[in-house]
Amino acid sequence: GENVEQHPSTLSVQEGDSAVIKCTYSDSASNYFPWYKQELGKRPQLIIDIRSNVGEKKDQRIAVTLNKTAKHFSLHITETQPEDSAVYFCAASTGTASKLTFGTGTRLQVTL
Amino acid sequence: EAQVTQNPRYLITVTGKKLTVTCSQNMNHEYMSWYRQDPGLGLRQIYYSMNVEVTDKGDVPEGYKVSRKEKRNFPLILESPSPNQTSLYFCASSNRGTGGVWANVLTFGAGSRLTVL
Repeated sequence: GENVEQHPSTLSVQEGDSAVIKCTYSDSASNYFPWYKQELGKRPQLIIDIRSNVGEKKDQRIAVTLNKTAKHFSLHITETQPEDSAVYFCAASTGTASKLTFGTGTRLQVTL
Repeated sequence: EAQVTQNPRYLITVTGKKLTVTCSQNMNHEYMSWYRQDPGLGLRQIYYSMNVEVTDKGDVPEGYKVSRKEKRNFPLILESPSPNQTSLYFCASSNRGTGGVWANVLTFGAGSRLTVL
């Protein structure tokens, strides 16, 4: 089955700096890659997703890039703010399957 | 308000005492799933259901049962809980995407923190 590895497990950046979280997946058939953000004590919520027919997608300060050949995808957050502090999960799915495999999460801390 | 509702939110129980965590969604979603979240292990899928009376195992189904008798409800049953089932549990649901694609935005419940002594 699919295996998703996520790095780093913790990341501390200063406010205004950029943050990058990387994930690799094992199943070459995977074609849907969402990112979820989980604030402390809250439920995970989708922040951005990308499908395999697209190499990059942006939404204001966040962007996701996908390299299908290398089987990895990354989340980029620019101009980080304290409210970006949370745990971020990447995930992968074949799209036509109902199974979504999550990475182990990255705890991002944005310091003032 | 569109939502996924889980109950109870917090539960402390003892080994072997059967319990059920309920999950209900009001969005007419076909797909529902249960995850457990443990430190360092992320979100792991326990069971999922693609429609009424259709359920299947996820990555960590041992010790759990589910049923999907109605579209809106997807209860998680622990017949004989053990301490290694102490965890934070999330129920989630989604629509089927366009073109028969299942991968779509998951709406999560608020979570149920279970402690088994």
